[in-house]
Amino acid sequence: SAVISQKPSRDICQRGTSLTIQCQVDSQVTMMFWYRQQPGQSLTLIATANQGSEATYESGFVIDKFPISRPNLTFSTLTVSNMSPEDSSIYLCSVEIVNEQFFGPGTRLTVL
Amino acid sequence: GEDVEQSLFLSVREGDSSVINCTYTDSSSTYLYWYKQEPGAGLQLLTYIFSNMDMKQDQRLTVLLNKKDKHLSLRIADTQTGDSAIYFCAENHGGYNKLIFGAGTRLAVHP
Repeated sequence: SAVISQKPSRDICQRGTSLTIQCQVDSQVTMMFWYRQQPGQSLTLIATANQGSEATYESGFVIDKFPISRPNLTFSTLTVSNMSPEDSSIYLCSVEIVNEQFFGPGTRLTVL
Repeated sequence: GEDVEQSLFLSVREGDSSVINCTYTDSSSTYLYWYKQEPGAGLQLLTYIFSNMDMKQDQRLTVLLNKKDKHLSLRIADTQTGDSAIYFCAENHGGYNKLIFGAGTRLAVHP
């Protein structure tokens, strides 16, 4: 398994600002993923982040809105840019280890 | 297309068995997963099954897979109040790492 931590655990932000969420894993992993869980909804994949290459975004998500960094094999950041109330969600990072995907505790974002 | 469907709510009595059902559409999925999410918490991987299996048992949990009907179920034996949570099934789309999640089934366990 993997131990995944995220910072911050929650935040309340003003519209128009940006927030960077950090994800740290206790082991080296090739692929890291960022998901969004809107209130009362299921999880939707935002993008896949591989170390040393550009993140791959899913339909409906763009790099300008959700820039991702993956500087090494244990760390990634997701930035939510120019936020609006519609961005209020839980953002979760995950990693895959031998066919199992493990999730971080999530970052609960509220945009006013 | 990518679609995973679950019933939204299940209520059971403590000590009874719970069965949570899920249907999916992607026949190329190689793994199917069950996750548990407790209030205010992240997702906990409960178990998963490889697509060439039809059953997997892990303590109180039994996963049944009917690949022909694209139907997956999770049975929890001797359901306890601590099992109250939302349960998500997920498939790895196209056999790759991208997970497609169902809407989640809220399990309520009452005395």
